[in-house]
Amino acid sequence: GAVVSQHPSRVICKSGTSVKIECRSLDFQATTMFWYRQFPKQSLMLMATSNEGSKATYEQGVEKDKFLINHASLTLSTLTVTSAHPEDSSFYICSARGNSGTYNEQFFGPGTRLTVL
Amino acid sequence: DQQVKQNSPSLSVQEGRISILNCDYTNSMFDYFLWYKKYPAEGPTFLISISSIKDKNEDGRFTVFLNKSAKHLSLHIVPSQPGDSAVYFCAASPLIIGNDMRFGAGTRLTVKP
Repeated sequence: GAVVSQHPSRVICKSGTSVKIECRSLDFQATTMFWYRQFPKQSLMLMATSNEGSKATYEQGVEKDKFLINHASLTLSTLTVTSAHPEDSSFYICSARGNSGTYNEQFFGPGTRLTVL
Repeated sequence: DQQVKQNSPSLSVQEGRISILNCDYTNSMFDYFLWYKKYPAEGPTFLISISSIKDKNEDGRFTVFLNKSAKHLSLHIVPSQPGDSAVYFCAASPLIIGNDMRFGAGTRLTVKP
């Protein structure tokens, strides 16, 4: 399958700082990218969906001013957690989908573990 | 609102035996179901899927069964191999295409040699 990378894989930051996570599709053009969050022993929860060149669509309950998503190119999306707090500590996973649009062709990154002290 | 549930957080099976991972869902609008496998430090990878018009889909050692009336699906792996040890996520969506796939919490399968 196609490859999606995330950087960094792990980040520890102080409360109040902002953290940027990058998601790249390495060998295909991702028309749609997704950002998920997973708390321990819970499901992958969809946070937002973004199409290249458009504003992201956020799921209910996800603050768009806190979780800034930029999908500036067909191979890169970024998630910035602004003014991070300990409750934002979680595992963040991105996913990218090509033109086919089907879930079978949706590929996931390895995830980023965010710890806010 | 947990629309997709995997009630067993872990499962341990002997090599060569059958592994059965279960998944339940509550949304009757779900019509397309998927299983993903996740190794440590890697993202989930698509394993097998099934649409609601079928009750079984087989791909090699992996078979997914769907019982729509019970809102239940299961993944059978036979024979199980140590390399199958991973976390398995069940997912569901109203359509094969869209932006509203919902995941279960995952089941960690350990296959012992």
